[in-house]
Amino acid sequence: QVQLQESGPGLVKPSQTLSLTCTVSGGSISSGNYYWSWIRQPAGKGLEWIGRIYTSVTTNYNPSLKSRVTISIDTSKNQFSLKLSSVTAADTAMYYCARENIPVAGSTFDYWGQGTLVTVSS
Amino acid sequence: EIVLTQSPATLSLSPGERATLSCRASQSVSTFLAWYQLKPGQPPRLLIYDASNRATGIPARLSGSGSGTDFTLTISSLEPEDFAVYYCQQRSDWPLTFGGGTKVEIK
Repeated sequence: QVQLQESGPGLVKPSQTLSLTCTVSGGSISSGNYYWSWIRQPAGKGLEWIGRIYTSVTTNYNPSLKSRVTISIDTSKNQFSLKLSSVTAADTAMYYCARENIPVAGSTFDYWGQGTLVTVSS
Repeated sequence: EIVLTQSPATLSLSPGERATLSCRASQSVSTFLAWYQLKPGQPPRLLIYDASNRATGIPARLSGSGSGTDFTLTISSLEPEDFAVYYCQQRSDWPLTFGGGTKVEIK
């Protein structure tokens, strides 16, 4: 059974960089069949796709966040990471990592982490 | 980007009743639409992909339909575990986008 688990600081100061890691267990992150995404949900609002990574060099980002986002992958640790720079209170949200099962359902997220709450505040 | 509008925002129903959730796209997404269930403290759960395909382990009382711009998620008879928030998501165009959600609450 594939499991994803987010980790990282729950509190980030304004203007700093938010950094989160997603650890994947029960399957290899190196499998060419999957993309690995970050998604967030501000309190009381809907879900927003942030971006994804496939292999070590292929990434896609939401244009609304592209200038501030970097997603990377560490296959030796079976992890992928999110960095969001110059954060403001608007970046306060529950952050999820998720897997896209491309062969079965295209860019649809079949496994998710439980989410981690990140608050931006001084 | 493609905007997904879900209605109603809240659905108040009793166990055993039928739930009908709507998702409307601002432009055609063909059948590239998925539905998810979110509950506090749990990972979001994929229910339906490509408009009408149930994901692994999803009971038959949940069904999806639609194409183009209008989609429906139907729960034929609500079980206690179905009371949650539901989101639709399109994969027809970039960026991937989600709807605003429908909360199914106990009446």
